Amino acid sequence: EDQVTQSPEALRLQEGESSSLNCSYTVSGLRGLFWYRQDPGKGPEFLFTLYSAGEEKEKERLKATLTKKESFLHITAPKPEDSATYLCAVQGQDNFNKFYFGSGTKLNVKP
Amino acid sequence: ETGVTQSPTHLIKTRGQQVTLRCSSQSGHNTVSWYQQALGQGPQFIFQYYREEENGRGNFPPRFSGLQFPNYSSELNVNALELDDSALYLCASSRPGQGENIQYFGAGTRLSVL
Repeated sequence: EDQVTQSPEALRLQEGESSSLNCSYTVSGLRGLFWYRQDPGKGPEFLFTLYSAGEEKEKERLKATLTKKESFLHITAPKPEDSATYLCAVQGQDNFNKFYFGSGTKLNVKP
Repeated sequence: ETGVTQSPTHLIKTRGQQVTLRCSSQSGHNTVSWYQQALGQGPQFIFQYYREEENGRGNFPPRFSGLQFPNYSSELNVNALELDDSALYLCASSRPGQGENIQYFGAGTRLSVL
């Protein structure tokens, strides 16, 4: 069965301290890997889609990369407003109508 | 703002009752997916509706059922509520086949079962 594991579960950073979040996945043929941001009490907000190994996408202080087994979300010089839970989801070729989500990484950026 | 709206925002029910949650999809989107998100967990896929037909289902019992209407809005119905059904229920709309298959989420309905 398709699986997604995110690490760490929680991450505390000082403002300006760069770091990376990991998403390891097992899927029978990757159709797409998606990163979302979720604030408390709200629905997930779309950030990036990656489709093939070697692909990279950037948005402000965030950069997502993809290999055949995992994806990283790099956060450069984070600010307190980057504090949120970051979710990773995969879509497989066999079950293309389902997104399998990880449990997320809860990021806390302190000023 | 994703354009996906869910109602109600909060709901309190007692064990054994039935509940209906509603979702309006983003304009132009013909596919709606429902997810259950327990506290501290990622969303779990319940089912998807495409053109008013169920188009895939996760590991949820038959007491979880749904509908999609001609305007692509959708309902999630849960019968015989159990305490473990307490969660945030998320609706996501998409338009598969049109470039990136991105699912856009609503803010969710927080269901508490007492």
